[in-house]
Amino acid sequence: DADVTQTPRNRITKTGKRIMLECSQTKGHDRMYWYRQDPGLGLRLIYYSFDVKDINKGEISDGYSVSRQAQAKFSLSLESAIPNQTALYFCATSDIRGASGETQYFGPGTRLLVL
Amino acid sequence: QQQVKQSPQSLIVQKGGISIINCAYENTAFDYFPWYQQFPGKGPALLIAIRPDVSEKKEGRFTISFNKSAKQFSLHIMDSQPGDSATYFCAASRFTGRRALTFGSGTRLQVQP
Repeated sequence: DADVTQTPRNRITKTGKRIMLECSQTKGHDRMYWYRQDPGLGLRLIYYSFDVKDINKGEISDGYSVSRQAQAKFSLSLESAIPNQTALYFCATSDIRGASGETQYFGPGTRLLVL
Repeated sequence: QQQVKQSPQSLIVQKGGISIINCAYENTAFDYFPWYQQFPGKGPALLIAIRPDVSEKKEGRFTISFNKSAKQFSLHIMDSQPGDSATYFCAASRFTGRRALTFGSGTRLQVQP
């Protein structure tokens, strides 16, 4: 979905390096999420933010940190990358207004390889 | 702790056949059950969703069946087409309040022509 963009799309880094993945959205949604996708494990929630000042840990937050710089921007940082953080990372946004339930809109993903 | 268990991990179906993917959940507070579809190289996208006040929801060739007592729900794809080849994720959450989706492990569906 072009309304949710992620940069970079691919990244190779070395063990111990600090890296940042960025997410921007033009949908005007308050809620933003970071997931990682691994084969056989599905999508696992790393962090989520209900608004700029409301940030919450997800299922697998250890080794990660986030920053919500504005309603439209949500960044994920790996403080000291390790090989088992090699994965496909997705940012998502959602708008819970309305009676039809929450729909999450995903970005195109960032493929990260930690050597 | 995996709160939403999905099976099978992969599925091969012939064109025109029925694809069935199953999910089971543990948290009885869950009352919203969406399915997401992901094509290669893309992010997941909402396909169809159901709430427990109904036992079935149909949208075109896609149907969700829901069994509250068994805490199970499934996706049925009728007349499966090669264009349906994708990874499918079930998910669950509370419908209101402070909640986030819990996803299943995904099913890779391949529809052979």
